[in-house]
Amino acid sequence: DIVMTQSPVSLAVSLGERATINCKSSQSVLYSSNNKNYLAWYQKKPGQPPKLLIYWASTRESGVPDRFSGSGSGTDFTLTISSLQAEDVAVYYCQQYYSTPYTFGQGTKLEIK
Amino acid sequence: QVQLVESGGGVVQPGRSLRLSCAASGFTFSIYGMHWVRQAPGRGLEWVALIWYDGSNKYYADSVKGRFTISRDNSKNTLYLQMNSLRAEDTAVYYCARDYYDSGNYYEGLFDYWGQGTLVTVSS
Repeated sequence: DIVMTQSPVSLAVSLGERATINCKSSQSVLYSSNNKNYLAWYQKKPGQPPKLLIYWASTRESGVPDRFSGSGSGTDFTLTISSLQAEDVAVYYCQQYYSTPYTFGQGTKLEIK
Repeated sequence: QVQLVESGGGVVQPGRSLRLSCAASGFTFSIYGMHWVRQAPGRGLEWVALIWYDGSNKYYADSVKGRFTISRDNSKNTLYLQMNSLRAEDTAVYYCARDYYDSGNYYEGLFDYWGQGTLVTVSS
């Protein structure tokens, strides 16, 4: 199984400042035949289902604000929120869809400082 | 619009069974792979099971293999999860989720729509 490890576990950032969340996979999730990283980011708020933010490591889902961006390749990935807004308070999960069992990171709780 | 509505959750004793349902609407259910994903209280997300669009293939997390069965009825636009031999550690909110579709391609294991979830509590 591919183990996904996120850091930090929790993060407090001031409004308008940058938030950076890291995700590391135990093996590469880059599929050589199409050169795509099978890595997604989700936002989870209490009482709501997860919301897809980023897929292919860096492609923003339709409707997601452009302050959210993803980067990385192979085993190391980053989710960046360029200017934190109050509505971004949530838990963020990375997930690999390279192979079953599909696995998530343990989550990063993002709060306002 | 796409809607996924789970039902069937509740309180059940250890060792007993429960069947969850997920009613789909707003899209052509029969051409999408579907999943169950769960979140235990205070814990992260855990993928549980996948069923192909036509039911021909099914995959499970090791934690539920042999106890849970995923199935679907495309004539009723409904996904199911039969949960047997339930344990306390199966207590969670269970979500159904759909495989992502974009420009003629399906991306298995990438979830674009989720239901609101149904809570299963396993307790004596």
